[in-house]
Amino acid sequence: EAGVAQSPRYKIIEKRQSVAFWCNPISGHATLYWYQQILGQGPKLLIQFQNNGVVDDSQLPKDRFSAERLKGVDSTLKIQPAKLEDSAVYLCASSLLWEATYEQYFGPGTRLTVT
Amino acid sequence: GDSVTQMEGPVTLSEEAFLTINCTYTATGYPSLFWYVQYPGEGLQLLLKATKADDKGSNKGFEATYRKETTSFHLEKGSVQVSDSAVYFCALSYNTDKLIFGTGTRLQVFP
Repeated sequence: EAGVAQSPRYKIIEKRQSVAFWCNPISGHATLYWYQQILGQGPKLLIQFQNNGVVDDSQLPKDRFSAERLKGVDSTLKIQPAKLEDSAVYLCASSLLWEATYEQYFGPGTRLTVT
Repeated sequence: GDSVTQMEGPVTLSEEAFLTINCTYTATGYPSLFWYVQYPGEGLQLLLKATKADDKGSNKGFEATYRKETTSFHLEKGSVQVSDSAVYFCALSYNTDKLIFGTGTRLQVFP
């Protein structure tokens, strides 16, 4: 079974530029998550989708971050404009159903450096 | 709000030593508890979990017991190997399954 795919793996941009990350979850997984992991910290949820609807985006900085999950499969996370403090690893995860007993499977992450 | 606190690392051990990584949590309800592991260059992987008080999760020789009275979920292994070197994250979630992570503890095992 293929895992969660993310691209790109690495991205370097200047502040005020825009960037987009892509995630392809495990086939059949209804729930998709985007986490932000700043160096030295644990991952923090940015947004959670159930199929193509948003379940939780309470910690998403909506003035600069946006995310969509078209057709309930792939997802894109965008930052516009980027700030220095956005430097982090962006993790995508998916799970089969919206229950705590179902494991979240994580992708390899995209490491963003904002200069 | 809900939170997870882990011991700071790095934890440095010799091969075959006993491992304990402390994890305590603050929760308004009755969450499930998890340990995730991140090996160098790889993504996060679920190591073990416990869904209710007194449950013991175990996998690959690692164990952790959900202690409601002490709000703890300490990770233990009787004999570590070099291949166990990684960053370990304690986490909690409720039935909405958003994970709340601790800051992670780096384990370094030397031969």
